[in-house]
Amino acid sequence: GNSVTQMEGPVTLSEEAFLTINCTYTATGYPSLFWYVQYPGEGLQLLLKATKADDKGSNKGFEATYRKETTSFHLEKGSVQVSDSAVYFCALSDRQGAQKLVFGQGTRLTINP
Amino acid sequence: SAVISQKPSRDICQRGTSLTIQCQVDSQVTMMFWYRQQPGQSLTLIATANQGSEATYESGFVIDKFPISRPNLTFSTLTVSNMSPEDSSIYLCSVRPGQTLMNTEAFFGQGTRLTVV
Repeated sequence: GNSVTQMEGPVTLSEEAFLTINCTYTATGYPSLFWYVQYPGEGLQLLLKATKADDKGSNKGFEATYRKETTSFHLEKGSVQVSDSAVYFCALSDRQGAQKLVFGQGTRLTINP
Repeated sequence: SAVISQKPSRDICQRGTSLTIQCQVDSQVTMMFWYRQQPGQSLTLIATANQGSEATYESGFVIDKFPISRPNLTFSTLTVSNMSPEDSSIYLCSVRPGQTLMNTEAFFGQGTRLTVV
């Protein structure tokens, strides 16, 4: 079945540091890939997505590129801010389980000033 | 987009009792999804609720423990029955409005934080 594996957390960085959160997936077809974010005290919300190979999703300075050859969708940001502190979830959906999202285990990110 | 109202936002319940969680969406959607997020864990899909038919449960979840109602296209309830401390979790309602569903953004309620004592 489909699965998503995320980098173990928690991750703690200083402000303006470079961020990478690794995400790899296993899927039977050609999935769509997502990053969701959960800020403290808030609900889960979409950060970015990519729906086919080599697509790059981007939002709020975050980027992730859909790499079919390495089955990866790593999240990156060049200069993090304290306000980026949150839990980040990688997720996929594919045509077979079209409406279901499969989530990774989540990575808690803390940015110190 | 979709706005989801979920209630209660939190509850503390005695073991052996049941709690019904309500989910109201501001637009009509074909499917509604119920997830569980255990402390420090990821989201696990419990079931998919279709209007006018039985819910579809994921492996490890059964209707007797998590009965679901879906009386119309904007509303669903999830009941956590005969609760034990292991049921302490956040329960989330979600929808994915749109036509090309595998590409579509999912929207989530704020969640119900359940503590069973």
